[in-house]
Amino acid sequence: AQSVTQLGSHVSVSEGALVLLRCNYSSSVPPYLFWYVQYPNQGLQLLLKYTSAATLVKGINGFEAEFKKSETSFHLTKPSAHMSDAAEYFCAVTSDTGGENKLTFGTGTQLKVEL
Amino acid sequence: KAGVTQTPRYLIKTRGQQVTLSCSPISGHRSVSWYQQTPGQGLQFLFEYFSETQRNKGNFPGRFSGRQFSNSRSEMNVSTLELGDSALYLCASSFGDRGGNEQFFGPGTRLTVL
Repeated sequence: AQSVTQLGSHVSVSEGALVLLRCNYSSSVPPYLFWYVQYPNQGLQLLLKYTSAATLVKGINGFEAEFKKSETSFHLTKPSAHMSDAAEYFCAVTSDTGGENKLTFGTGTQLKVEL
Repeated sequence: KAGVTQTPRYLIKTRGQQVTLSCSPISGHRSVSWYQQTPGQGLQFLFEYFSETQRNKGNFPGRFSGRQFSNSRSEMNVSTLELGDSALYLCASSFGDRGGNEQFFGPGTRLTVL
């Protein structure tokens, strides 16, 4: 079974500060990992994904994430937070077992950006 | 390219009724997955359809069902609604040919059960 743990249900940063959202996964097979963002009353928007091509993955809106197998982590970072980054962020995992498309999500981290 | 569309966006039903939600995937995508999002349980996988066949199913009661049509559009049905079924229902589409496929989500249908 696969699982995802997101440390910190709420994270608050100042505008211009580093954003770090933590995600640890558990998977018995090589995982595919994703970060999604959800703005109020909207669906999920894909920020980036890891599919074993490169451990440092760059996504949209200046976000990136680094896959660390030894730490089973896939933390999301952004060098400088912007007010528009305030949203809920979800880490998700799946695997390539027979084309299975089931995403297992973490519980989400609400990011607040303060002036 | 048009994104994933879901109809209706909002729905209010009473206990015991049934409801049908619709999802139109991105053109060319053959997989449609459904998720339920609630404050208490978070995002939970309901089921996935690929080429009109249910390929994967989550841990939900039989009141939750779905289907997929030849044009890849999908519907999900919830019968005998309960208060706890109030949630945001999200569908996601992808090419579906391998596990690493990106899944693109629609805006969701907000179901309220009174």
